[in-house]
Amino acid sequence: DIQMTQSPSSLSASVGDRVTITCRASQSIDTKVNWYQEKPGKAPKLLIYFSSNLQSGVPSRFSGSGSGTDFTLTITSLLPDDFATYYCQQSYISPFNFGPGTKVDI
Amino acid sequence: QVQLVESGGGVVQPGTSLRLSCATSAYTFTYYGMHWVRQAPGKGLEWVAVIWYDGNNKNYVDSVKGRFTISSDFSKNTLYLHMNSLRAEDTAVYYCARDLGHRIPATGIMDVWGQGTTVTVSS
Repeated sequence: DIQMTQSPSSLSASVGDRVTITCRASQSIDTKVNWYQEKPGKAPKLLIYFSSNLQSGVPSRFSGSGSGTDFTLTITSLLPDDFATYYCQQSYISPFNFGPGTKVDI
Repeated sequence: QVQLVESGGGVVQPGTSLRLSCATSAYTFTYYGMHWVRQAPGKGLEWVAVIWYDGNNKNYVDSVKGRFTISSDFSKNTLYLHMNSLRAEDTAVYYCARDLGHRIPATGIMDVWGQGTTVTVSS
C-alpha cells in the first residue's frame, strides 16, 4: 500500500499569511494527489485534484503542485474561512489512502 | 443540486452487523463510482471502499476485507455498506462520496460528500 505523510501536522497562522503544506508519498504516484479541506462537523471538501487542478468553485488562492513523491498545497493570503484541517490523498492505486492531516489554526 | 444523504448508523455491540445507506439525488447515479470513507473520533480520514459506476468492480481497505461489502441499487439510486463482525475499531463517522470520474473506472477522487452517519461499536 502507498503511505502518505504530511508536514507539518499543525501550524498557526494569521489572516493574510501565505501557508504551504507538504505531502509525501511512499512511492512515485505521478500527479495522482488530491487535497481536501475539513471543518469540524462538516463533510470534507475537494480542493485540488491531480496535484494542481482546482476543483470548480474553489477560490484561486488555493493552489497545488508536485509530481512523483513530493507535493505541496499553498494558500496565499489566508482568510478566516480557511482555518481548517487539510488532507492529501493518493488516487494512484487502491487503497486510496489519505495523509494524517494538517491543522491550520489561528 | 447533487446530494448524498447517509443513514443507518447507530450504537451496536461488537460482532453484530449494520447496513449503511447513502441516498443520492440530482445526478445520474449509474454514471459515477462511489466511495465510503470513515473518520474515527479525533482521527483523520480513512478510505474504506469503492464501487465502480457499473457495480462490477469493488475494492476495500485491508482492515474491512471479508467483513464489509459495498453495493449499489440502481433502481433506488442508493449506495450501501453492509458491515458484519463489527469491532470497536470500526467506530467512526462514515461518509459516502461520489467519484469524480464519469462513466470511467473509479479515479479515486471524491468530489461530492454526504454529511456522514455515526457508527458506534461498544458493549
